[in-house]
Amino acid sequence: TQLLEQSPQFLSIQEGENLTVYCNSSSVFSSLQWYRQEPGEGPVLLVTVVTGGEVKKLKRLTFQFGDARKDSSLHITAAQPGDTGLYLCAVVYQTGANNLFFGTGTRLTVIP
Amino acid sequence: NAGVTQTPKFRVLKTGQSMTLLCAQDMNHEYMYWYRQDPGMGLRLIHYSVGEGTTAKGEVPDGYNVSRLKKQNFLLGLESAAPSQTSVYFCASSYQGVAKNIQYFGAGTRLSVL
Repeated sequence: TQLLEQSPQFLSIQEGENLTVYCNSSSVFSSLQWYRQEPGEGPVLLVTVVTGGEVKKLKRLTFQFGDARKDSSLHITAAQPGDTGLYLCAVVYQTGANNLFFGTGTRLTVIP
Repeated sequence: NAGVTQTPKFRVLKTGQSMTLLCAQDMNHEYMYWYRQDPGMGLRLIHYSVGEGTTAKGEVPDGYNVSRLKKQNFLLGLESAAPSQTSVYFCASSYQGVAKNIQYFGAGTRLSVL
């Protein structure tokens, strides 16, 4: 059974601070996606990473895919209240598979 | 653009009752998915479909059935609801498989089984 753990589970920070959230798998995965979900809405895709060691930037968000293809991190610089939400990682364990496995999520609150 | 639309948005059932959740997408996507989201559990895949007329089991299929009679619709059925099926249900669709394609999610259906 694959385990996909995210940490921390909850994070509350002040506006302007930096933060990093983590996604760790018990097994190697083929690709990974990060989503953000706001209350009452479905998840919205932020990024997909497919290459070990890959780093992608989306404005103030930096996503890193671990070299061993078992972990990923999301770093937010100068957090803003609009970043508040539930951040979910999701992985595909086998190339060509149709199943996405989601982590338990990190609930981020950015206080103005 | 409507994207992915789920109906109903809220529903309360008594144990043993049946119901069908409807998911409709207007993006001509081949793949459609049903997930459930529970506190502390993340999203778990119930069933999915890779095209009209096809369905497959996901991670937690027991107690649910699905049908994909039309490409744009994916129905999730509960034949005899149980309290353990209290959850928020999300439908998603994608053009191709999940690995490199964006999954678009609906806004969810909040179901309570008493």
